Amino acid sequence: AQRVTQPEKLLSVFKGAPVELKCNYSYSGSPELFWYVQYSRQRLQLLLRHISRESIKGFTADLNKGETSFHLKKPFAQEEDSAMYYCALGRGSTLGRLYFGRGTQLTVWP
Amino acid sequence: DAGVIQSPRHEVTEMGQEVTLRCKPISGHDYLFWYRQTMMRGLELLIYFNNNVPIDDSGMPEDRFSAKMPNASFSTLKIQPSEPRDSAVYFCASSYLPGGSAGELFFGEGSRLTVL
Repeated sequence: AQRVTQPEKLLSVFKGAPVELKCNYSYSGSPELFWYVQYSRQRLQLLLRHISRESIKGFTADLNKGETSFHLKKPFAQEEDSAMYYCALGRGSTLGRLYFGRGTQLTVWP
Repeated sequence: DAGVIQSPRHEVTEMGQEVTLRCKPISGHDYLFWYRQTMMRGLELLIYFNNNVPIDDSGMPEDRFSAKMPNASFSTLKIQPSEPRDSAVYFCASSYLPGGSAGELFFGEGSRLTVL
């Protein structure tokens, strides 16, 4: 069965410090991984997807199939990065459906 | 496009009352999802539709919950009777899948339900 694990419910860092939000998944096929973000009083929205291999707002995430991980990283955190972050897994066989982790609340202190 | 539109944004009701949440997906999207968000469990998928047909309702907690999609532009999630443990934020999302793979979900602003 597919599962997405985000081990940290809460994560706090100071502004300018590196940040890494962990995500591990279990799925035997070829996964499609996403990071979604929910800023205070805003809609949940896509931050980035592994297929695009892009950097958004300074965040990057690399799919590591050997470790079944898709950790989200940013070298220098900013206060505006404070938000709830959800890792999500998509499977080609269940078109459209995403399996979400429980989320990590990131707080960046000034 | 105004995006996914949900109503009401906030609902406070008493235990035992019927609650109906509404969703208008983005035009042209053929998938619609209902999620529930709580502090304890995060985002849980309740049910999703493809071309107005329910595909997977295994996440619906119990018979008190029901969802319909009578046409491509409207869906409802109904709770009858409501209980305090149903208090949560309910999100509707829609998507379009080019190429048949998992695509980006577009979320509404959510309906915050409080059952007293």
